[in-house]
Amino acid sequence: EVQLLESGGGLVQPGGSLRLSCAASGFTFSSYAMSWVRQAPGKGLEWVSAISGSGGSTYYADSVKGRFTISRDNSKNTLYLQMNRLRAEDTAVYYCAKIEQWRGTHYYYYGLDVWGQGTTVTVSS
Amino acid sequence: AIQMTQSPSSLSASVGDRVTITCRASQGIRNDLGWYQQKPGKAPKLLIYGASSLQSGVPSRFSGSGSGTDFTLTISSLQPEDFATYYCLQDYIYPRTFGQGTKVEIK
Repeated sequence: EVQLLESGGGLVQPGGSLRLSCAASGFTFSSYAMSWVRQAPGKGLEWVSAISGSGGSTYYADSVKGRFTISRDNSKNTLYLQMNRLRAEDTAVYYCAKIEQWRGTHYYYYGLDVWGQGTTVTVSS
Repeated sequence: AIQMTQSPSSLSASVGDRVTITCRASQGIRNDLGWYQQKPGKAPKLLIYGASSLQSGVPSRFSGSGSGTDFTLTISSLQPEDFATYYCLQDYIYPRTFGQGTKVEIK
């Protein structure tokens, strides 16, 4: 069974740091790009970051660029999100998701086809 | 970043109704768009990718259409389990961006 399991959430003070982990199983982890998506309490979904299968390419939302770092350890089948200089507005449930790829007529399509259950990050003094 | 605007933000419908949700991109995104369903307290679920391709296991009452800047998610006959919030996500360029969501409620 394909599965993603996030961990590492918790309560942290503004300006603090936290590292989230996402353990993957049931698929060849290194073959897939991965993403983080978050959802603030009572709000919609916000795309946060993505990383290629090799880890050589990374992408960030403007709201987290320079503060968050996405990485992966393919030997451990684990995705990470290092979050520094946290702000109250970073309070959210953080989901990791697998990026699937389908071949179209002229190019590839992408989608987040497997999601974890989420881990909660609360930034508050 | 590309802005994704969904409408309506919420709607009330009855079981059996045909429901249409739209998503507009601030610039052309070919057909690099997905639709997701989220129920309270749960992770989102992929319904449609590539604007119109049905994800495996998703009921055929869900369909997607559109290209360029305007996209539509249609539920042909609303079922009790379809009451949820729906989001579009552009997969054309990084940073990816979601629409603000459409909450489908029971009338």
